[in-house]
Amino acid sequence: AQKVTQAQTEISVVEKEDVTLDCVYETRDTTYYLFWYKQPPSGELVFLIRRNSFDEQNEISGRYSWNFQKSTSSFNFTITASQVVDSAVYFCALSEEEYGGSQGNLIFGKGTKLSVKP
Amino acid sequence: DGGITQSPKYLFRKEGQNVTLSCEQNLNHDAMYWYRQDPGQGLRLIYYSQIVNDFQKGDIAEGYSVSREKKESFPLTVTSAQKNPTAFYLCASSLPGAYYDGYTFGSGTRLTVV
Repeated sequence: AQKVTQAQTEISVVEKEDVTLDCVYETRDTTYYLFWYKQPPSGELVFLIRRNSFDEQNEISGRYSWNFQKSTSSFNFTITASQVVDSAVYFCALSEEEYGGSQGNLIFGKGTKLSVKP
Repeated sequence: DGGITQSPKYLFRKEGQNVTLSCEQNLNHDAMYWYRQDPGQGLRLIYYSQIVNDFQKGDIAEGYSVSREKKESFPLTVTSAQKNPTAFYLCASSLPGAYYDGYTFGSGTRLTVV
């Protein structure tokens, strides 16, 4: 069965520290899609990145980087030189092709609350 | 600008009352979704709709109802049968079958039973 696990419930760091948010997934499909969303205190989920199962290239976007490893079923997210504005809940999510045609359902992890202190 | 509008932002309900949460989108998306968020529980799917006049139950549909009479609108009614309705409710939309593209989310409605 499909599942997303974010083992870190809460993380607290001091500004300028690097921080990695872990995401481990389970799926039966060979084609699937992984996502990261950010939920700031305002509540709206903001899309950060999408990665498909055939593309294991790591990605960097400014201070954000993502490490996708199929061998360990992980899709970890690193923030370099964290800032107070990075404080939010971060969700990892999975979508499988098997369900995509009729449902397109995203399965979410329980989220990791990141607090960046000045 | 295109997006999803949820209203109201905060809603208070007396026990035994039904309440309806609004969700409107102008993204021309066919698919719409309702999620419930509780502290430490992540997001759980309540209902989803891939096309107008059709919708399907998600993982926690009991005590909720929806309608999809227009492409732009997907209101959620929290009925008196929902035993623990206090939560944060998020509406989302996507292109049909867009498992590869993720969702666009609204800003949520926080419902409190008083």
